Amino acid sequence: AQRVTQPEKLLSVFKGAPVELKCNYSYSGSPELFWYVQYSRQRLQLLLRHISRESIKGFTADLNKGETSFHLKKPFAQEEDSAMYYCALTSGGSNYKLTFGKGTLLTVNP
Amino acid sequence: NAGVTQTPKFRILKIGQSMTLQCAQDMNHNYMYWYRQDPGMGLKLIYYSVGAGITDKGEVPNGYNVSRSTTEDFPLRLELAAPSQTSVYFCASSSGQLEIRNTIYFGEGSWLTVV
Repeated sequence: AQRVTQPEKLLSVFKGAPVELKCNYSYSGSPELFWYVQYSRQRLQLLLRHISRESIKGFTADLNKGETSFHLKKPFAQEEDSAMYYCALTSGGSNYKLTFGKGTLLTVNP
Repeated sequence: NAGVTQTPKFRILKIGQSMTLQCAQDMNHNYMYWYRQDPGMGLKLIYYSVGAGITDKGEVPNGYNVSRSTTEDFPLRLELAAPSQTSVYFCASSSGQLEIRNTIYFGEGSWLTVV
């Protein structure tokens, strides 16, 4: 069974500090990994996906198959980054369904 | 485009009552989903549909029913509401398979309390 683990429920950093939101997954095949973000009073939206290898709003995430991780990183956090972040996985066999982690609430303090 | 629209936004139900959460999308997406989000628990898939007339169970389908008579609409029915169904419900849609650069779009959520 596939599973996504986000070990931190809450993460608090100061503005300008680096931030890393952890995500580990378990899946035997070749999954596709995503990060979704939910800002206050907004709907859940895609932040980035590993297949694109892109940087969105200064965030990057690298898929490490050896460690089965997909940590989200940003070198200098901004106050507007405060939000709920979800790591998600879709499998090759059922590639229209997402399995979500429990989420990490990031707070960036001024 | 309005995207994915859910109604109602908030609802309080009494135990044993029934209700339908409405979901509509105007993006001509084939795939539609219902998730529930419990505090600290992430999102869990209730039901999904890969096209009109086709629905299937997700991870937590008990206590719910769905139908997909049109591409646009995917209502979620609660027949006998129970306190365990108190949650935030999200409808979502995507044009195709998520590994092929398609994106899943979410509605704003429906807050349901069963008392």
